[in-house]
Amino acid sequence: EAQVTQNPRYLITVTGKKLTVTCSQNMNHEYMSWYRQDPGLGLRQIYYSMNVEVTDKGDVPEGYKVSRKEKRNFPLILESPSPNQTSLYFCASSVGFGYEQYFGPGTRLTVT
Amino acid sequence: KQEVTQIPAALSVPEGENLVLNCSFTDSAIYNLQWFRQDPGKGLTSLLLIQSSQREQTSGRLNASLDKSSGRSTLYIAASQPGDSATYLCAVLTPNAGNMLTFGGGTRLMVKP
Repeated sequence: EAQVTQNPRYLITVTGKKLTVTCSQNMNHEYMSWYRQDPGLGLRQIYYSMNVEVTDKGDVPEGYKVSRKEKRNFPLILESPSPNQTSLYFCASSVGFGYEQYFGPGTRLTVT
Repeated sequence: KQEVTQIPAALSVPEGENLVLNCSFTDSAIYNLQWFRQDPGKGLTSLLLIQSSQREQTSGRLNASLDKSSGRSTLYIAASQPGDSATYLCAVLTPNAGNMLTFGGGTRLMVKP
């Protein structure tokens, strides 16, 4: 089944403890993105990747890192999480620019 | 900067009614527009994608239209069912935006049996 998967689905952590949220797609898509969803602010893009080893900032990249070493995986790294990064995170992929984007199930992160 | 607005923010209708959800955007220079459905605690499900050169797209009971010049799109749902209850989001892709979708705030739909 074609899908975007994320792990973990739920995470509670403390300020400053490094964490990684994984994202994987099995559709051989070139483009992958990370979004966060916050009440009143909607969904905003954090980072995106056009292909292996090619990444760039989205609208709200501060406090986040990404890497794209393999086509199927696009992990989101929070090196020193803070409470303002408490949010619902979504990974998305598409076969190329301008094509339909497919979203993962989301990761709910709480930073205390 | 592109801004996307969805009206109404919430809508409650009886089962069987036909309904229209609205989406407007400020910059008409879009590449495409995508409608999504979001169920509580779940991810986004893509419903329809309309390229900027298209006027409408249909999938089952759903029909989405696009009027790029006026910055508007509508999602028409025919013969609504309780299973249609969800939040509907529209998002636009602007050229040179790094494949970034700009989302509206969503319309929360409740279809009552």
